[in-house]
Amino acid sequence: KAGVTQTPRYLIKTRGQQVTLSCSPISGHRSVSWYQQTPGQGLQFLFEYFSETQRNKGNFPGRFSGRQFSNSRSEMNVSTLELGDSALYLCASRPGTSTTPRETQYFGPGTRLLVL
Amino acid sequence: KNEVEQSPQNLTAQEGEFITINCSYSVGISALHWLQQHPGGGIVSLFMLSSGKKKHGRLIATINIQEKHSSLHITASHPRDSAVYICAVSNFGNEKLTFGTGTRLTIIP
Repeated sequence: KAGVTQTPRYLIKTRGQQVTLSCSPISGHRSVSWYQQTPGQGLQFLFEYFSETQRNKGNFPGRFSGRQFSNSRSEMNVSTLELGDSALYLCASRPGTSTTPRETQYFGPGTRLLVL
Repeated sequence: KNEVEQSPQNLTAQEGEFITINCSYSVGISALHWLQQHPGGGIVSLFMLSSGKKKHGRLIATINIQEKHSSLHITASHPRDSAVYICAVSNFGNEKLTFGTGTRLTIIP
């Protein structure tokens, strides 16, 4: 099976712009989670989508949003970019079987966003 | 105090040495995950465990639920083991991961 893919891999934006990142999970996986990694804060959970519904959300402002499509592909959007949004954005997928809450997550390669 | 604490933050060792990385957590968890991140950013899940011990090749992970502590061991370390090792916990009721700050491991040939 193909792994988790993320596009684009690198992105440069300026303050005030918005950005959309895409994540394609492993085939058959229904859960997609998004994470932000910065040198200062480390890895932080953004949100999780399961069957097109947001199931969990981290402590990020409303400028960060996401969605999931019927084929389980997910996008996250950041509006009104700030310098501090520069980070590596990772998505991870897992099967999401409802009776197995503890599942290995499979990470994508990440999108490196630089905000100037 | 962070929910997940790792030690040491940095570790340099000679090839062949036995490596131990520690993780302590302060909340109830459904599972603990050990992740490996190589330069460039890609993350690989090494172990997910909720009790006892797991082994995969030269890697061993243990967890003590009562003491809220886990260890990752690497036997016969090799330069290709050089990476950042991250401990993460998932909470009861959801799969939101909370991460430790990572241990940067460097193995010198």
